[in-house]
Amino acid sequence: DQQVKQNSPSLSVQEGRISILNCDYTNSMFDYFLWYKKYPAEGPTFLISISSIKDKNEDGRFTVFLNKSAKHLSLHIVPSQPGDSAVYFCAASNNAGNMLTFGGGTRLMVKP
Amino acid sequence: GAGVSQSPSNKVTEKGKDVELRCDPISGHTALYWYRQSLGQGLEFLIYFQGNSAPDKSGLPSDRFSAERTGGSVSTLTIQRTQQEDSAVYLCASSLARYPGETQYFGPGTRLLVL
Repeated sequence: DQQVKQNSPSLSVQEGRISILNCDYTNSMFDYFLWYKKYPAEGPTFLISISSIKDKNEDGRFTVFLNKSAKHLSLHIVPSQPGDSAVYFCAASNNAGNMLTFGGGTRLMVKP
Repeated sequence: GAGVSQSPSNKVTEKGKDVELRCDPISGHTALYWYRQSLGQGLEFLIYFQGNSAPDKSGLPSDRFSAERTGGSVSTLTIQRTQQEDSAVYLCASSLARYPGETQYFGPGTRLLVL
């Protein structure tokens, strides 16, 4: 039973446009949500996070939105750049914070 | 300072052999995590250490898998009698774990192929 789902395995966006990556979760005990970016042959690198007490967190070109009632979060990248091309993983943690539960990832391709 | 390092970066082994994977966390990070990523899949939690103790082993897929951490630093993940389904990228992460949801920093992973 997947508790964190990324329903789009891939997304293609033109350079300069907005990329929107979506994530849904089922466990209402999740309190913290993180986005990681992964290049081939490298480990995931942390991108941005949000606590359940917020509905938006912004860091430069990256913004994460959380809709708790819908158990949905999204990552917006604007403007998208070719260097953003990677696999993006959504992850969630409960208040104990002992482990991250990851989604299956979305491969983003930003075309020049 | 240095990030999380893992060795070996790649490991090819024959079915039935034992393998040991090593993780060096970021200095000072008290929490250490092992995950694995099978082909085309997301990351799957295996085990978590706080200091030298492992309060959460719930993700270990079978009793062929074990892990230890000594001195609150280096950790070793051991897979005994490897099977082909063990082939995956094994990722280690560490964290200061000062609060729930604090960022985990990942190493580059060990790519294990069981023939």
